[in-house]
Amino acid sequence: GAVVSQHPSWVICKSGTSVKIECRSLDFQATTMFWYRQFPKQSLMLMATSNEGSKATYEQGVEKDKFLINHASLTLSTLTVTSAHPEDSSFYICSATPGTSGWGEQFFGPGTRLTVL
Amino acid sequence: KQEVTQIPAALSVPEGENLVLNCSFTDSAIYNLQWFRQDPGKGLTSLLLIQSSQREQTSGRLNASLDKSSGRSTLYIAASQPGDSATYLCAVRGGGSNYKLTFGKGTLLTVNP
Repeated sequence: GAVVSQHPSWVICKSGTSVKIECRSLDFQATTMFWYRQFPKQSLMLMATSNEGSKATYEQGVEKDKFLINHASLTLSTLTVTSAHPEDSSFYICSATPGTSGWGEQFFGPGTRLTVL
Repeated sequence: KQEVTQIPAALSVPEGENLVLNCSFTDSAIYNLQWFRQDPGKGLTSLLLIQSSQREQTSGRLNASLDKSSGRSTLYIAASQPGDSATYLCAVRGGGSNYKLTFGKGTLLTVNP
């Protein structure tokens, strides 16, 4: 089946530093990838849609200058949390849809637990 | 704005029972619906995908149905096992140009040995 990986699986950083999270589709190419955020006992909230070779589309209320997304290739999207603060601590999950359409089945990565001290 | 509701929020059953998880959505103009499983601290595993033109999908002990006109889907789990214990999430993808997934809050299932 389609496999999506994330790296790192967990990260602890000091307030004010930047953290980069990678999302890779291992056995398929994906024009479209998605970044989600999940708080404890809450469901997933879409942050942004990442499109290969173009700018990401951010959901309302998500600061694009704080959450930088780069989809440089058909198998890799990165999310950089800039100047992280404790309120950015959360579980970040990416997903990818095989092929060139964003409409197909989404496959999710294992998530990255970010803790900002 | 699409809203997805899952009932019940939590469910505890003895091993071997058949069970049904419910999902409802407010906008019936969907493209497809997916059921996922999430284990604690983990990502999501896709269980079943139902296209808007389909009525049901089956995989092993799992059967998902879709009634688009009434905005409902059910996930049926037969002969439940302790390994089925997890949070089950329902997500719908809207029609038109909105291909974003909207998630419910999930049902926490515990299967007791």
